[in-house]
Amino acid sequence: KQEVTQIPAALSVPEGENLVLNCSFTDSAIYNLQWFRQDPGKGLTSLLLIQSSQREQTSGRLNASLDKSSGRSTLYIAASQPGDSATYLCAAGSRTYKYIFGTGTRLKVLA
Amino acid sequence: DAGVIQSPRHEVTEMGQEVTLRCKPISGHDYLFWYRQTMMRGLELLIYFNNNVPIDDSGMPEDRFSAKMPNASFSTLKIQPSEPRDSAVYFCASSRDRGHEQFFGPGTRLTVL
Repeated sequence: KQEVTQIPAALSVPEGENLVLNCSFTDSAIYNLQWFRQDPGKGLTSLLLIQSSQREQTSGRLNASLDKSSGRSTLYIAASQPGDSATYLCAAGSRTYKYIFGTGTRLKVLA
Repeated sequence: DAGVIQSPRHEVTEMGQEVTLRCKPISGHDYLFWYRQTMMRGLELLIYFNNNVPIDDSGMPEDRFSAKMPNASFSTLKIQPSEPRDSAVYFCASSRDRGHEQFFGPGTRLTVL
């Protein structure tokens, strides 16, 4: 059974710092992995999707990597801004297209 | 496109009542997902559809929960009878195709008293 873990659970950093959020999964036979952002009281916003055959994806200041063999994905945020404050969730997609979500990392970027 | 649309945004009901949540996926998306989010259990997949057909409902917690997708632009999640432990935020999401990114609706916050 797939389990997804995100560490740390919460993170507070000063504006301008580069930071890394971690996502670990127990079953390496994933179809893809998706990173989301969730603002308080809101739905999830898709950030990046990495297919199992890919190593990384980039969008603006965000870069997500995937290492299936070690069961890890990281989300790198460059030059963090207060507007980046949110909860970040990763979701591992199986070949039967079921997504298992991590519990998220609550990020706060201080101005 | 307006994105995934859910209604109502908030629902407060009493235990034992029937609750119906509604979802309109993004036009052209063939996959539709229903999720439930709670503080204790996080985000859980309840059921998903492909081309209006339920594919996997193993996440539906009990027979009190049912979901339908009568056409490509509408889906419902029904709870009958509702219980206080059903209180959660219910999200609907859609995806254009297998392996493509999922787009989430704003969610329905359900409170069962």
